[in-house]
Amino acid sequence: GDSVTQMEGPVTLSEEAFLTINCTYTATGYPSLFWYVQYPGEGLQLLLKATKADDKGSNKGFEATYRKETTSFHLEKGSVQVSDSAVYFCALFSGGYNKLIFGAGTRLAVHP
Amino acid sequence: NAGVTQTPKFRILKIGQSMTLQCTQDMNHNYMYWYRQDPGMGLKLIYYSVGAGITDKGEVPNGYNVSRSTTEDFPLRLELAAPSQTSVYFCASSYPVGANYGYTFGSGTRLTVV
Repeated sequence: GDSVTQMEGPVTLSEEAFLTINCTYTATGYPSLFWYVQYPGEGLQLLLKATKADDKGSNKGFEATYRKETTSFHLEKGSVQVSDSAVYFCALFSGGYNKLIFGAGTRLAVHP
Repeated sequence: NAGVTQTPKFRILKIGQSMTLQCTQDMNHNYMYWYRQDPGMGLKLIYYSVGAGITDKGEVPNGYNVSRSTTEDFPLRLELAAPSQTSVYFCASSYPVGANYGYTFGSGTRLTVV
């Protein structure tokens, strides 16, 4: 079945460091891909998305490119801030009843 | 625009007790979902609904029940609470077609069963 694999956390960075969180997927066809962010004590929020191969999703300085050839959707940010500390979830849309399949999440901690 | 509203935010139950987690959305979304998130883990789908009167099981439905009598409301019922149901529960909703819109999540209900 369809699945999403994320790099394990926690990821600990200093402020202004470069961030990469790896995400790979297994799916039939060409699913839409998403990154969600969960700040402490809150629900998940959509961060960015890409709906077809080679699309780049971007928001709040974060970017991810849909790579069909490597079945990947890695999240990147050039300069992280303390306020970026959160759990990040990669997800794919599994067709049929519009269901999202989530990865296990990666916790990011950014220190001043 | 409130989005997805969940109540209560926190609850402690004793083993064997029952409760209903409420979820309401005001975006006229047809699709609604219940997930649980265990500590350090991802989200697991409990139940989902594609419209009023239609519900279906997700990955982990045992011990839960749902109903969908209106477009707006999608309550989750725990009949006989067990310690394994200690978790954070999230309700979400989405538009009926395509994946471009993603999901809108509520802020969660933290449930502890003792």
